[in-house]
Amino acid sequence: AQSVTQLGSHVSVSEGALVLLRCNYSSSVPPYLFWYVQYPNQGLQLLLKYTSAATLVKGINGFEAEFKKSETSFHLTKPSAHMSDAAEYFCAVSENNDMRFGAGTRLTVKP
Amino acid sequence: DGGITQSPKYLFRKEGQNVTLSCEQNLNHDAMYWYRQDPGQGLRLIYYSQIVNDFQKGDIAEGYSVSREKKESFPLTVTSAQKNPTAFYLCASSIQGQSFNEQFFGPGTRLTVL
Repeated sequence: AQSVTQLGSHVSVSEGALVLLRCNYSSSVPPYLFWYVQYPNQGLQLLLKYTSAATLVKGINGFEAEFKKSETSFHLTKPSAHMSDAAEYFCAVSENNDMRFGAGTRLTVKP
Repeated sequence: DGGITQSPKYLFRKEGQNVTLSCEQNLNHDAMYWYRQDPGQGLRLIYYSQIVNDFQKGDIAEGYSVSREKKESFPLTVTSAQKNPTAFYLCASSIQGQSFNEQFFGPGTRLTVL
């Protein structure tokens, strides 16, 4: 069965610094991969998704992720963190209409 | 505006009581899902439904029940058999049939058992 592992349950960056959130996946077929963001006491919102087109996927709020098959990774990046980026981020993989979520990474942005 | 609504936002229950969480969507999606979220554990699938009058157990269905009488609605009942029901519950929906379709989430219901 497919799964994702998010390395680092907490990541802290300074405002203006690079954001890098790591996600590695396991899938028996070419995967469909997603990044979601969750603000406190809210539902999840889609940031971006990979559906086997371009390996570099651009999403909302300046985020992007690169699919690397050789590394089975789909890391999320943003060049310059903003205070409003503080939230929890979830990586997910979908296979046969079954979506599996990682445990999440909480991003803190320091002024 | 199309979207998913969940009610109530906060819910308190005494031990031994059943409680029903509401989920409604106007996105015309066939598939609907219920997840449970606990700190540090991500989202765990409770039940899902791919079509009206049909639903399947997810990974942690014990102590929960659902119904899907209408396409727009997928209520979740947390029964007294659920040993540790305090959690954040999320409902989601998606276009059915393809793994590349994302899920759309409601705002969640936080259930606390007193």
